Amino acid sequence: ELQLVESGGGLVQPGGSLRLSCAASGFPFSTYAMSWVRQAPGKGLEWVSAISSSGGTTHYANSVKGRFTIFRDKSNNMLHLQMNSLRAEDTARYYCAKDRVTFGSGSSIYMDVWGKGTTVIVSS
Amino acid sequence: VLTQSPATLSLSPGERATLSCRASQSVNSFLAWYQQKPGQAPRLLIYDASNRATGVPARFSGSGSGTDFTLTISSLEPEDFAIYFCQQRSDWHTFGGGTKVEIK
Repeated sequence: ELQLVESGGGLVQPGGSLRLSCAASGFPFSTYAMSWVRQAPGKGLEWVSAISSSGGTTHYANSVKGRFTIFRDKSNNMLHLQMNSLRAEDTARYYCAKDRVTFGSGSSIYMDVWGKGTTVIVSS
Repeated sequence: VLTQSPATLSLSPGERATLSCRASQSVNSFLAWYQQKPGQAPRLLIYDASNRATGVPARFSGSGSGTDFTLTISSLEPEDFAIYFCQQRSDWHTFGGGTKVEIK
């Protein structure tokens, strides 16, 4: 069964850091681009970041560029999002999601498998 | 920018639902539709404007190209009451604000 399980969310103070992780199983992880998408409480969806299947290319929304870093560890089928300089507006549920097609660059993705998400709260 | 309308659609089971997504500039056919139920992750329904994703019932259909797109649910089932988002991949990735389909 295709599965994505996020972890690492929590309460952090403004200016702090957090690392989210996503464990992938049930599919050849290294052949798919992956994304992070977030959803603020009661709001819509916002794409945050994507990484190519090879891991060599990364993309970020303007709202997180320079503060967040996406990376993947193919040896253990893990996707990560390092979040620094966190702000109140980063408060959201963060989902990891898989590209629908193989060997994508991450720049043009439909997301066909999603995890249940992990919640990040940035507050003092 | 993707603008979805209406914000809320109040319908009864068995009725037809028509949801709209309008792009501020052409996205060709690079548009998807997702369904999200309370407390759940989104689910891909339609990609490339009109292709049903794996396992999606035939009552869901998508149409359109360029700037105007439609998701149609031919006959609403109880499990279809949810929020629906459109997403484009023509120019990075953006989502519409969503349409809530609620029981009338």
